[in-house]
Amino acid sequence: AQKVTQAQTEISVVEKEDVTLDCVYETRDTTYYLFWYKQPPSGELVFLIRRNSFDEQNEISGRYSWNFQKSTSSFNFTITASQVVDSAVYFCALSAAPRASGAGSYQLTFGKGTKLSVIP
Amino acid sequence: NAGVTQTPKFQVLKTGQSMTLQCAQDMNHNSMYWYRQDPGMGLRLIYYSASEGTTDKGEVPNGYNVSRLNKREFSLRLESAAPSQTSVYFCAVGGNYGYTFGSGTRLTVV
Repeated sequence: AQKVTQAQTEISVVEKEDVTLDCVYETRDTTYYLFWYKQPPSGELVFLIRRNSFDEQNEISGRYSWNFQKSTSSFNFTITASQVVDSAVYFCALSAAPRASGAGSYQLTFGKGTKLSVIP
Repeated sequence: NAGVTQTPKFQVLKTGQSMTLQCAQDMNHNSMYWYRQDPGMGLRLIYYSASEGTTDKGEVPNGYNVSRLNKREFSLRLESAAPSQTSVYFCAVGGNYGYTFGSGTRLTVV
């Protein structure tokens, strides 16, 4: 079974502060994929990043960065110099490779999300 | 979202009524999924389809049926709606390279 835990339910920061959203996952699979999605108040789900289990390099994209550590089963997301437009619910998700005998379909398991409010 | 179209966007049902949520994709993916989103619960998988002609239960399948009509379309049916099925429903397509979500259907059962 797969599980994703986002312990922070809600976070509030003042604009320009840095903020880190935590994500801890559980899986028995050796091949898996981790994702972050953003859900702004408008409701759509916006893909941010994908990381496979064999690639532990950290990644930076503009003000966003991700820290993947297999040793602690964590995939944390940091926003630097936060902006009001970053206000959203952020979901961490895990997808394991299909079983050899299975349906050939990945199943994406979500955490419960962290609501980030950036105050001007 | 480009590539995944859900209809309707909003729906109000009375308890006991039935309805079908439609999802269509033009991304040529084999796998399609239905999720529901409830406050504080994240997104939970209802059913998925690995390929045309196959469907499997996810985490919360009770009260739902699905149909993979062809490679493009994957529908979710509520045979007898209950207030507990009030939720936002998302269709998704994809796999390990990423998932694309529809814009969602907000369903209220009164």
